[in-house]
Amino acid sequence: DAKTTQPNSMESNEEEPVHLPCNHSTISGTDYIHWYRQLPSQGPEYVIHGLTSNVNNRMASLAIAEDRKSSTLILHRATLRDAAVYYCILRDVPGTYKYIFGTGTRLKVLA
Amino acid sequence: DTAVSQTPKYLVTQMGNDKSIKCEQNLGHDTMYWYKQDSKKFLKIMFSYNNKELIINETVPNRFSPKSPDKAHLNLHINSLELGDSAVYFCASSQAGATNEKLFFGSGTQLSVL
Repeated sequence: DAKTTQPNSMESNEEEPVHLPCNHSTISGTDYIHWYRQLPSQGPEYVIHGLTSNVNNRMASLAIAEDRKSSTLILHRATLRDAAVYYCILRDVPGTYKYIFGTGTRLKVLA
Repeated sequence: DTAVSQTPKYLVTQMGNDKSIKCEQNLGHDTMYWYKQDSKKFLKIMFSYNNKELIINETVPNRFSPKSPDKAHLNLHINSLELGDSAVYFCASSQAGATNEKLFFGSGTQLSVL
């Protein structure tokens, strides 16, 4: 199973950008990088994913290193509602049905 | 209109009992999953079904038996409940094979075994 490494926790001030790192040194050429987040007492929700190029959507941006061994989830302006556990996941080619969640990064947003 | 719904939200029961958790998705997805999140918040995949066929069984005890009557439903039946089964169980679905494939989770069922 492809593995990811994330810091256990991070803090950010409200309204400031947050960069959440993820290392995936054993990533294969077909692994997609997915990010999910889990708000308190809720199920995980999809945030963003990418393969090689940087990606943007309304929730966040994903910056992928050129060698693809690391990636960074960027929240441009953290709000209190962004306090959650953020999971970085590697998913093999579409249709392999297996998403393996690591320990994630608990993001605390300070008012 | 909830995309992935699971019932019940809370389940408190005695050791040795048999219980079921139901899951339904209205997204038209062909793949459904059960995940278990323990007290340390580790989220582990238990089962995956694609078009009603079991694809993944992650060394889950035989006491756990998933059943998928159709693509929109994946229920989890647990026999002879043990203290260690206490956890939050999440159902999820996805459309397998899509390049933008992503998981949609239910809100979870908190199981407490006394």
